[in-house]
Amino acid sequence: KNQVEQSPQSLIILEGKNCTLQCNYTVSPFSNLRWYKQDTGRGPVSLTIMTFSENTKSNGRYTATLDADTKQSSLHITASQLSDSASYICVVSAAAGGGADGLTFGKGTHLIIQP
Amino acid sequence: DTAVSQTPKYLVTQMGNDKSIKCEQNLGHDTMYWYKQDSKKFLKIMFSYNNKELIINETVPNRFSPKSPDKAHLNLHINSLELGDSAVYFCASSQDVGLAGAEDEQYFGPGTRLTVT
Repeated sequence: KNQVEQSPQSLIILEGKNCTLQCNYTVSPFSNLRWYKQDTGRGPVSLTIMTFSENTKSNGRYTATLDADTKQSSLHITASQLSDSASYICVVSAAAGGGADGLTFGKGTHLIIQP
Repeated sequence: DTAVSQTPKYLVTQMGNDKSIKCEQNLGHDTMYWYKQDSKKFLKIMFSYNNKELIINETVPNRFSPKSPDKAHLNLHINSLELGDSAVYFCASSQDVGLAGAEDEQYFGPGTRLTVT
């Protein structure tokens, strides 16, 4: 059964600090992995999308890494800002299903940045 | 210039009623989706439509029916509403389906918070 596990479930850090969120998956065959940011009361917004051959991808202060061998991904946030407070969702796409029927969602990490 | 829009933003209704949520995308995408996000913030996909054809239909009650009058719209109709239907419903769209890479990126709407009393 395809699964995506995210950790920690929630995280509180001080403004300006760095943090790393984890995503482990068992989705097979693997197509791509996405990280979304969801602000409270808003729809998810894409941060990064990585395919099998990509090990790292950055989007401003967000850097995602992917180890397809160990089936792990991380999202590193540098110099956190108050606006980074949100839920971060890891989504893995299976190659066989393609589109939406091949997507497996994690339950998200709720990040709170304190001043 | 909103990419994916939904109406209404909030919907409060009583059990047993029938209601619809509308979704429109102006991105020219071929595929649209409906998601349900429960109180624990877990996103679950309900339907997707590609070029007016239903391509997946997860195990949701048949009280839920997606209707797509054209490629830019995918409305969600719900019959005989139940308390457990209370959630936030998100519409999303993507350029294509079945491809890995940027073309498969999904863009989400702002959500509709449905409360059934």
